[in-house]
Amino acid sequence: GIQVEQSPPDLILQEGANSTLRCNFSDSVNNLQWFHQNPWGQLINLFYIPSGTKQNGRLSATTVATERYSLLYISSSQTTDSGVYFCAVERRQGAQKLVFGQGTRLTINP
Amino acid sequence: DGGITQSPKYLFRKEGQNVTLSCEQNLNHDAMYWYRQDPGQGLRLIYYSQIVNDFQKGDIAEGYSVSREKKESFPLTVTSAQKNPTAFYLCATQRAGLAGYEQYFGPGTRLTVT
Repeated sequence: GIQVEQSPPDLILQEGANSTLRCNFSDSVNNLQWFHQNPWGQLINLFYIPSGTKQNGRLSATTVATERYSLLYISSSQTTDSGVYFCAVERRQGAQKLVFGQGTRLTINP
Repeated sequence: DGGITQSPKYLFRKEGQNVTLSCEQNLNHDAMYWYRQDPGQGLRLIYYSQIVNDFQKGDIAEGYSVSREKKESFPLTVTSAQKNPTAFYLCATQRAGLAGYEQYFGPGTRLTVT
């Protein structure tokens, strides 16, 4: 099946710093989503981005489908950005189901 | 209020008992999914259903069962055959079982079996 690798596994930053999270995937995809899991476990949709670039406030994402990777940028980090960020993909050929990476745990210190 | 409801938030059971986790949605989405998350790990797919009265096994279906009698509801039963049932369980929906639509997640149920 399709492999999804996220890096780095852990990231610790000071408030105000910028960060880049990476997601590599091993096959062509129909769907790629970024999620933020908050401390209560809720998965919050950040971006639906199978290709191209999107921005939402301090967050932006870019997916280069031909090179099979996606990047999530967080600028001017706040402590509320802490949590685990997951990338999930849906393989182009196959059943319509998401495969998740292991996540990047982001800690923003005040 | 539109959304996905999972109940209860926390569930405790004794080993050997079956337990059913509820997932209800009023988003009018066709597809529904159940995932399991273990501490420090990503999500793994247990079962999914793209239409009423039909469902498919995911990657870790052993020891679980589901039903899809109504579009709004997709309950998951954790049976006594599941060797390590303690985990965080998340339900998700998707507008259609087709490519190109986002999945949305409920708040989850934390199951502890002792």
